[in-house]
Formats: sequence, structure tokens, C-alpha cells
Amino acid sequence: DTGVSQDPRHKITKRGQNVTFRCDPISEHNRLYWYRQTLGQGPEFLTYFQNEAQLEKSRLLSDRFSAERPKGSFSTLEIQRTEQGDSAMYLCASSPASGANTGELFFGEGSRLTVL
Amino acid sequence: SQELEQSPQSLIVQEGKNLTINCTSSKTLYGLYWYKQKYGEGLIFLMMLQKGGEEKSHEKITAKLDEKKQQSSLHITASQPSHAGIYLCGADIGFQKLVFGTGTRLLVSP
Repeated sequence: DTGVSQDPRHKITKRGQNVTFRCDPISEHNRLYWYRQTLGQGPEFLTYFQNEAQLEKSRLLSDRFSAERPKGSFSTLEIQRTEQGDSAMYLCASSPASGANTGELFFGEGSRLTVL
Repeated sequence: SQELEQSPQSLIVQEGKNLTINCTSSKTLYGLYWYKQKYGEGLIFLMMLQKGGEEKSHEKITAKLDEKKQQSSLHITASQPSHAGIYLCGADIGFQKLVFGTGTRLLVSP
């Protein structure tokens, strides 16, 4: 078990460009979450998947943000027309199905976005 | 909406000293998570508490959830440089969606 992996770890882009982040959860984890963390703050919930279904999206997730989990395995988070305010660490987390859920939410190392 | 306040915001302790970090919630806690984060990295799970009065320990770290389930504390005994980092408490608002506090930054001086 290699844990939750995220790619890329760092991304620098110019304002107005599109960026995409990928998250590979721990295999067989049904639940997958995206969080955003800005400097000096705790992570903020963005969206949540149960298998391939996106069950909830935070109001923080503007129309420029879209997340997918097409086959219920890896997930992508795309930001269109990036703005400087999008600069943050984007964290992915996963957890197993309810029956096997010990309560732990497993986080990846994060993808740091800098918008110039 | 539920909000978590952590105190202190930052802490510098001498190696070997004990310390306590507090997490206070604006609403009843139904699941309270403690995570540690090293600067610029992901979150490492420490403990989860659900029942009022519950206490859990892992190595030199002990966490408690008070009886009224609105406050939790994290206590580190005989701190070491490896304990340095950002400690975050998170409240489960359903389906393991977490609302986090702003964190407590801990430095341990040799």
C-alpha cells in the first residue's frame, strides 16, 4: 500500500491558464475528498466522492473548478482561468467503505499551486 | 456552521517539557480528529475521538474529548524535536468531511 499520491507536487502557472491535479487514493478506498489550504490556515473542504459519484461540493468551489472520479479510482481537480487567489495547497484524502472504516482519513502530500 | 478555535496559535517549548494544545468547538463534536502537518506537507493522522470523556494515547501524545463534547485537548509529554510541526484539530460534519481549526505551530528547541 503506497498511500495517497498526488501529482504534480508543485505547479507554477500564469494567471488565466488552466491547471489539473491528479489524486490516486489508496486502492479500494470508496471515499475521496479534496481540500484546499492557504498559508497559515487549516484545510478547507472542497468536494467529496463516494465511488464515482460526486456527492457534495462546497460553496468554495466556483464554476471554474471541476472535479471528476470517472471510474471510482483516481480523481482529477481542474481549475480553469486561474486567478492569483487560487494559489494554495490542494490536498486529497481517502477513506475505506463504512464497514472497514476505522475513522482515519488518509491524506496525500498535496499539490502546491502558485499563480503568477 | 461549525467553527474550531485552537490555542495557542504557536508554541515554543524546550526539549523535554510537556505541553498542551486546546481545540474549542462552536457546536457539539460528533467526531474530533487530531492531525500533525509538517511544513508544506500532507497531514498525518494522530487520533480520533467520538465519545464524551474519551481519552486516547499514542506514544507520548494523549488526546481527550471533554464530557460536553465541545472541547478537546492534546497533550505531549517530554517533547522532542520530532514533535515539531503544525497540529490541527478537525471536526467531522458528516461523512468524514472535516472542518479544521487554524492550527497550532509547535517548535521544540534543543
